[in-house]
Amino acid sequence: KQEVTQIPAALSVPEGENLVLNCSFTDSAIYNLQWFRQDPGKGLTSLLLIQSSQREQTSGRLNASLDKSSGRSTLYIAASQPGDSATYLCAVSLWDSWGKFQFGAGTQVVVTP
Amino acid sequence: AAGVIQSPRHLIKEKRETATLKCYPIPRHDTVYWYQQGPGQDPQFLISFYEKMQSDKGSIPDRFSAQQFSDYHSELNMSSLELGDSALYFCASSFQPGGHYGYTFGSGTRLTVV
Repeated sequence: KQEVTQIPAALSVPEGENLVLNCSFTDSAIYNLQWFRQDPGKGLTSLLLIQSSQREQTSGRLNASLDKSSGRSTLYIAASQPGDSATYLCAVSLWDSWGKFQFGAGTQVVVTP
Repeated sequence: AAGVIQSPRHLIKEKRETATLKCYPIPRHDTVYWYQQGPGQDPQFLISFYEKMQSDKGSIPDRFSAQQFSDYHSELNMSSLELGDSALYFCASSFQPGGHYGYTFGSGTRLTVV
């Protein structure tokens, strides 16, 4: 059974610092991995989708890397802003269950002005 | 750009009642997924449909049923509601299973059972 772990569970940084969020998974036979942002009581906003054949994806200040062999993905957010405060979730899908995401518990981020 | 539409946004039901949640995928998306997120928990996969057929099933209670219609929208029917069913229910859609071309999640339906 795929297990997804996100460390740390919570993170507080001053504005302007770079954020590094970690996600690890136990089964390397993933189909893809996706990073989401969730604001309190709100829905999921997709940030980056990395296919199993890719090593990283970038969008603006966001960069996500994928290392299947070590079962890890890292989300980097450059020059953090208070508006980046949210919970960030990582989710993986396996080759034999496309689209059935297994989510991590998330990292709650607070960026202080 | 059109997004995944879920209705209603909020729903309050009493125990033992029935609820129906609806999901309208992005145009040309043929696959729909349902997730349940309890308070303080991560989303849990319930069920998915591809071309109107169930494609995968997760931890969905027997009291719940779902289907995908000819226009690709999906409905999640929940009967004999329990307090523990209170959660945020997400629907996501993709073009073909696996989301090789990306997934899009709706904003969710918040169900409160009292």
